[in-house]
Amino acid sequence: QKEVEQNSGPLSVPEGAIASLNCTYSDRGSQSFFWYRQYSGKSPELIMFIYSNGDKEDGRFTAQLNKASQYVSLLIRDSQPSDSATYLCAVNILDNNAGNMLTFGGGTRLMVKP
Amino acid sequence: DTGVSQDPRHKITKRGQNVTFRCDPISEHNRLYWYRQTLGQGPEFLTYFQNEAQLEKSRLLSDRFSAERPKGSFSTLEIQRTEQGDSAMYLCASSSPWTGAGYTFGSGTRLTVV
Repeated sequence: QKEVEQNSGPLSVPEGAIASLNCTYSDRGSQSFFWYRQYSGKSPELIMFIYSNGDKEDGRFTAQLNKASQYVSLLIRDSQPSDSATYLCAVNILDNNAGNMLTFGGGTRLMVKP
Repeated sequence: DTGVSQDPRHKITKRGQNVTFRCDPISEHNRLYWYRQTLGQGPEFLTYFQNEAQLEKSRLLSDRFSAERPKGSFSTLEIQRTEQGDSAMYLCASSSPWTGAGYTFGSGTRLTVV
């Protein structure tokens, strides 16, 4: 079982719709959770992070965390074609030897159609 | 200092040759990470430095791979006797000492072994 799992997609949504990206993780000791966006051929860039159960909103993005269900999601409201990218979920598996080592999921490719 | 710098951006090498990549982290970040990413996959952890100390290495890091961060600033990743399976994007990231901080990634070095 992979430590961090994401549906590889592609997830296709029309422009203006809400895109919902999901991620599950296996280690109950996970402390913090991150969403990165990666355009084709580019490196990942941090969009949001969340530590506590519930929702965290930043502009058009909302991260949702449910530690009991070991589930984290990212909602993108009013999706734009420029949001088309691969979205990587990353989890901080607490390990004193590896600092803030993040374990990444395989990513979900999002396509926003005009 | 505006971000994490990696050099070179692209490297094409013949199988069996040695290659070395360089990473300059954000100056105030004492933690530095190397990841490898292949097409369609999420980044995979290779190794981690806190200041000049290499504190963690993945099983992925075979004996042909070595990393250094001699003065706690820039880091190098060397691959000896390259194989075609080494072809990937090599990503460097840095983070602050704050537990739970996300990474800032560099632009990556894309290695092609022919």
